[in-house]
Amino acid sequence: AQSVAQPEDQVNVAEGNPLTVKCTYSVSGNPYLFWYVQYPNRGLQFLLKYITGDNLVKGSYGFEAEFNKSQTSFHLKKPSALVSDSALYFCAVRDRTPYNTDKLIFGTGTRLQVFP
Amino acid sequence: NAGVTQTPKFRVLKTGQSMTLLCAQDMNHEYMYWYRQDPGMGLRLIHYSVGEGTTAKGEVPDGYNVSRLKKQNFLLGLESAAPSQTSVYFCASSRRTSGSYNEQFFGPGTRLTVL
Repeated sequence: AQSVAQPEDQVNVAEGNPLTVKCTYSVSGNPYLFWYVQYPNRGLQFLLKYITGDNLVKGSYGFEAEFNKSQTSFHLKKPSALVSDSALYFCAVRDRTPYNTDKLIFGTGTRLQVFP
Repeated sequence: NAGVTQTPKFRVLKTGQSMTLLCAQDMNHEYMYWYRQDPGMGLRLIHYSVGEGTTAKGEVPDGYNVSRLKKQNFLLGLESAAPSQTSVYFCASSRRTSGSYNEQFFGPGTRLTVL
């Protein structure tokens, strides 16, 4: 079964410093990996995805993620954190349904707190 | 374009009561999903639909029913609410898959408390 793990419940970083939010995956076959962000009292917003191609994927709001096949990781990164980046971040992996459609399997989430 | 909307935003139920959560999307998406979000557990898929009149069970379907009578609407029903169903419920929709993955768009959520 496809799964993702987010080993950190919370990540704290000072504004202006680089940030990393970790995600590891376990899949059969080629992984389709995603990052979503949830701001307080809001739904999830798509940040970026890895399907194939370059291991460094660029997404919204200056975020990027590095796909590492040997370490089965897909860490989310940003060179310079902003206070407004404070939110809940979810890693997800695509799975297939019996109808041969897509569904997402989410990690448990990592709360990012950026301090001024 | 409103995207994905959910009604109501908040609700408090007593154990044993029933209710229906409504999800509507105006993007003409074929696929729709209901998730629940619980602390420390991420989002888990309850039920999903691949088209009008077609629904299927996800990871945690027990205690819930769904219906997709119209393409733009996906209803989630709780026949007899239990405290374990206290959660935040999210609806999502996406286009039909055709080779590549299509992003899921999420609604703002419904916060449900069962006393």
